[in-house]
Amino acid sequence: QSALTQPRSVSGSPGQSVTISCTGTSSNVGGYNYVSWYQQHPGKAPKFMIYDVSKRPSGVPDRFSGSKSGNTASLTISGLQAEDEADYYCCSYAGSYTWVFGGGTKLTVL
Amino acid sequence: EMQLVESGGGLVKPGGSLRLSCAASGFTFSNAWMTWVRQAPGKGLEWVGRIKSKTDGGTTDYTAPVKGRFTISRDDSKNTVYMQMNSLKTEDTAVYYCTTVGYSYSLNFDYWGQGTLVTVSS
Repeated sequence: QSALTQPRSVSGSPGQSVTISCTGTSSNVGGYNYVSWYQQHPGKAPKFMIYDVSKRPSGVPDRFSGSKSGNTASLTISGLQAEDEADYYCCSYAGSYTWVFGGGTKLTVL
Repeated sequence: EMQLVESGGGLVKPGGSLRLSCAASGFTFSNAWMTWVRQAPGKGLEWVGRIKSKTDGGTTDYTAPVKGRFTISRDDSKNTVYMQMNSLKTEDTAVYYCTTVGYSYSLNFDYWGQGTLVTVSS
């Protein structure tokens, strides 16, 4: 399984919105509604932010939202805050109880 | 509170073996599917392998680069999942995280440990 494709970096100013894309194939992103997103600060474990494409686990601010169109999923962060600066990873179910991650996107808050 | 604590990482020579453990608490471990995810230094996340709960068959599957070398097992009496890593290569150097799969949120990696570092070097 090849990794899902994410931009290496994105940036935005406080208060703005940014969107991170995650492109796969019909065998993963396009074939299932099990796309999740994880936030990782340096030296920390990943944090579960979005599941089933667009749902938020308990405790995740509603500034974080997800969507999908065809083979591409997206994470949008609105009202950017300094603490949102982190690496973000998408992950998709790929069938037969296997999964594939994206390569990660570094978000810089300017 | 749900908690996952990995241990067993360290420095090992190429071709060597290591067994990682992940001790779980705060939830019904026997019902949980578990996975291992790794992250090489400065790189992204990579799904390594998965074990189902015994009631769902207890079966395992792995990503291609580790098939035949890594084996995931579980001891529900100890609330612990293990990963035996044999024939280690330098490219296996990474932080290894254990996670639950779909315990609260189906087919997603919902709870994570803090990770344990494995370094494969001569």
